[in-house]
Amino acid sequence: DAGITQSPRYKITETGRQVTLMCHQTWSHSYMFWYRQDLGHGLRLIYYSAAADITDKGEVPDGYVVSRSKTENFPLTLESATRSQTSVYFCASSLTESGSPLHFGNGTRLTVT
Amino acid sequence: DAKTTQPTSMDCAEGRAANLPCNHSTISGNEYVYWYRQIHSQGPQYIIHGLKNNETNEMASLIITEDRKSSTLILPHATLRDTAVYYCIVRVVGVTGGGNKLTFGTGTQLKVEL
Repeated sequence: DAGITQSPRYKITETGRQVTLMCHQTWSHSYMFWYRQDLGHGLRLIYYSAAADITDKGEVPDGYVVSRSKTENFPLTLESATRSQTSVYFCASSLTESGSPLHFGNGTRLTVT
Repeated sequence: DAKTTQPTSMDCAEGRAANLPCNHSTISGNEYVYWYRQIHSQGPQYIIHGLKNNETNEMASLIITEDRKSSTLILPHATLRDTAVYYCIVRVVGVTGGGNKLTFGTGTQLKVEL
């Protein structure tokens, strides 16, 4: 059961660089989500997607771009990384909108220097 | 989504039941109570959810008060591996337009000790 996988597990990048975090799920879940987790803020939703080619903003979308050309992949791109984007990023998926639980990946720890 | 209130931290002896409370006094009729936990350095893990009836699965039991304003997650025989942050979340189910979003608070840090 591969589930949901994120890559890379750790990433260090410089301010101003573009970086893409990958998320892949093997369940054919319709919904996918990106959260970031920072001390003192808990988990905050960045973007979510209801299906391929359907995405929408969450609570903290500024500075991020997402795409969903295939159901199983939901990459998150930081077009010009800033130090404030240093965080742990979690991807999640769920089967439907009607109350099915979210399943999370193990996260990507991103450091922007 | 309704706001939840949880204690910041709790301790529990290994082998004993861990009872984690959650207050959600503003919950509305179409909101479910969900529990997740996050073990250090891992992604949150779904535990259980319910609407108004008590629920039990292989991981835990969920007790929801009759007025639905509070709930308790019960880990019947806590082990060291249950040490984690536990999140209580309420959310609307069955709506369109991102209804599956979860809003996490800061949760309860449960420490299970020998």
